Amino acid sequence: SQLAEENLWALSVHEGESVTVNCSYKTSITALQWYRQKSGEGPAQLILIRSNEREKRNGRLRATLDTSSQSSSLSITATRCEDTAVYFCATDNMGYKLTFGTGTSLLVDP
Amino acid sequence: GGIITQTPKFLIGQEGQKLTLKCQQNFNHDTMYWYRQDSGKGLRLIYYSITENDLQKGDLSEGYDASREKKSSFSLTVTSAQKNEMAVFLCASSMGDTAEQFFGPGTRLTVL
Repeated sequence: SQLAEENLWALSVHEGESVTVNCSYKTSITALQWYRQKSGEGPAQLILIRSNEREKRNGRLRATLDTSSQSSSLSITATRCEDTAVYFCATDNMGYKLTFGTGTSLLVDP
Repeated sequence: GGIITQTPKFLIGQEGQKLTLKCQQNFNHDTMYWYRQDSGKGLRLIYYSITENDLQKGDLSEGYDASREKKSSFSLTVTSAQKNEMAVFLCASSMGDTAEQFFGPGTRLTVL
């Protein structure tokens, strides 16, 4: 089965700094999604990047996808305290099921 | 816009008890999902339903039953609660395959 995993368990940055979360996966995919989960809430999708795309942006967020190395990154510029959350990557392969990574916990200090 | 409602928000049960969690969505989405999230871990798929009256097992279906009563609702039953099942159960819905999944706030289960 596919495995998606973020490369770091936790990160801490100061407000205003940029940060990058990385993700690696094991098998071929149709698309990769990045989700954010704030404390006490369910995950919310940030970006969906398809296997034929190399980069996708959404405001301060930028996702990249490298299918040759089976990896993806999510960069956040000008971080804010409200970006504090757990960030997950999730992969799919022509189906209804997503495989979620274990998540990277990001703390943005004021 | 739409919303996913999960009830109850907190569920406390006794070991061996049968417990039911409920989920409602007003997105008019075809597909619904139940995930389990253990502390500090990712989401694991328990059951999903592609359309009304459909039921598909996920990676973690043993010990659980599910029911898609109508398009807007999807229930999950823990058939015999165990102490190692203390986790957050998340319901989600989507338009179809490879689509964004929208999540509810979760039900936190504690087994005494």
